[in-house]
Amino acid sequence: RKEVEQDPGPFNVPEGATVAFNCTYSNSASQSFFWYRQDCRKEPKLLMSVYSSGNEDGRFTAQLNRASQYISLLIRDSKLSDSATYLCVVASGQFYFGTGTSLTVIP
Amino acid sequence: NAGVTQTPKFQVLKTGQSMTLQCAQDMNHNSMYWYRQDPGMGLRLIYYSASEGTTDKGEVPNGYNVSRLNKREFSLRLESAAPSQTSVYFCASSEAFPWGTGGNNEQFFGPGTRLTVL
Repeated sequence: RKEVEQDPGPFNVPEGATVAFNCTYSNSASQSFFWYRQDCRKEPKLLMSVYSSGNEDGRFTAQLNRASQYISLLIRDSKLSDSATYLCVVASGQFYFGTGTSLTVIP
Repeated sequence: NAGVTQTPKFQVLKTGQSMTLQCAQDMNHNSMYWYRQDPGMGLRLIYYSASEGTTDKGEVPNGYNVSRLNKREFSLRLESAAPSQTSVYFCASSEAFPWGTGGNNEQFFGPGTRLTVL
């Protein structure tokens, strides 16, 4: 079983839509959780860390559910510039990356 | 403050040739990592250095060697390149290694090296 699993998508949504991504992890002892964004042919960049209490940064909200071992990312009021691949990352002894979820926001 | 830098950006090798990918960070981070990224596979850890003076194998170390030259620099060497090593290689660093005991373990990535082995 993979350490981290994500739905690869693709997600194609119109501008202004709300979209949610989920990611599950297998190690219940995992300590740190992150969402990274990766643009085509670029390096991954941190979008936000995910805290136990959940956290929000503008249009982005991240949630952690330890009981069910999943993390989520909600994007509200999608912009064209949100088009990218979103990587779920879980840290437990090392960093484990999901394969990424592709998002395209359509005008 | 350049963050994480990698050289070269692009490289084409013939099977059997060797090369070294260079990585440097100027954030005084303790931990450094080498990943490869292939379509549909996500990022896979090749080697990591939790702190200066230590290196350890990751998920896919075969065919690679690393050197943590000092706190700033972490190089990846392909001794005899094979077509299966065609990939995009990313170097990353973090202040702390994610042992699970706290510390800031957010990773910062370099721009990547696109390697083709013919």
